[in-house]
Amino acid sequence: QVQLQESGPGLVKPSETLSLTCIVSDGSINGFYWSWIRQPAGKGLQWIGHISASGTTNYNPSLSSRVTMSIDTTKNQFALNVTSVTAAETAVYFCARENNWALDYWGQGTLVTVSS
Amino acid sequence: SYELTQPPSVSVSPGQTARITCSGDALPKKYVYWYQQKSGQAPVMVIFDDRKRPSGIPERFSGSSLGRTATLTISGAQVEDEADYYCYSTDSSGNQWVFGGGTKLTVL
Repeated sequence: QVQLQESGPGLVKPSETLSLTCIVSDGSINGFYWSWIRQPAGKGLQWIGHISASGTTNYNPSLSSRVTMSIDTTKNQFALNVTSVTAAETAVYFCARENNWALDYWGQGTLVTVSS
Repeated sequence: SYELTQPPSVSVSPGQTARITCSGDALPKKYVYWYQQKSGQAPVMVIFDDRKRPSGIPERFSGSSLGRTATLTISGAQVEDEADYYCYSTDSSGNQWVFGGGTKLTVL
């Protein structure tokens, strides 16, 4: 079955850019939307945005000025960049596959700490 | 911005029926998805398209939606169903997706 794995720095300094990659294995990246979701410790899930295999994006309006998503279908992976991060954005970041809008496969999540 | 509203907590005894609600203005025209998240784990989808159950999800999980409110029902809740549950849907434009605040289900 499809597997997703997030990767990227676990520590980012305030005001810098958070960059994560999600590698998709045992399945094609084509034909689906791919999402990023985050969860601060002890809090709920927040949808960050999604990207289609052709590169169409939608972002959470509260983050849209600082978020960029990209996709590389040749490498079966997609990426998230969040600029000018603050400590409040310390969270576990998940990537997930959208299948007819249902988030049916998720990565295990990666903790990103924003601290100097 | 669009919001989905869930009760913070629901508590039942084993074998009882647990009901978790999710309210939102666009729900009369948009599907709801439900996710179960156990401590330290990624969420798992338990209901999609308001009432459909993915393969491998026990039959005791069911969903319904009427007007502005969707409901996740766990009939005969088990101790292993203790988790946080989140509803997920989109606004009327279909471009902004949002999770409800989450409901902690306690079964004891």
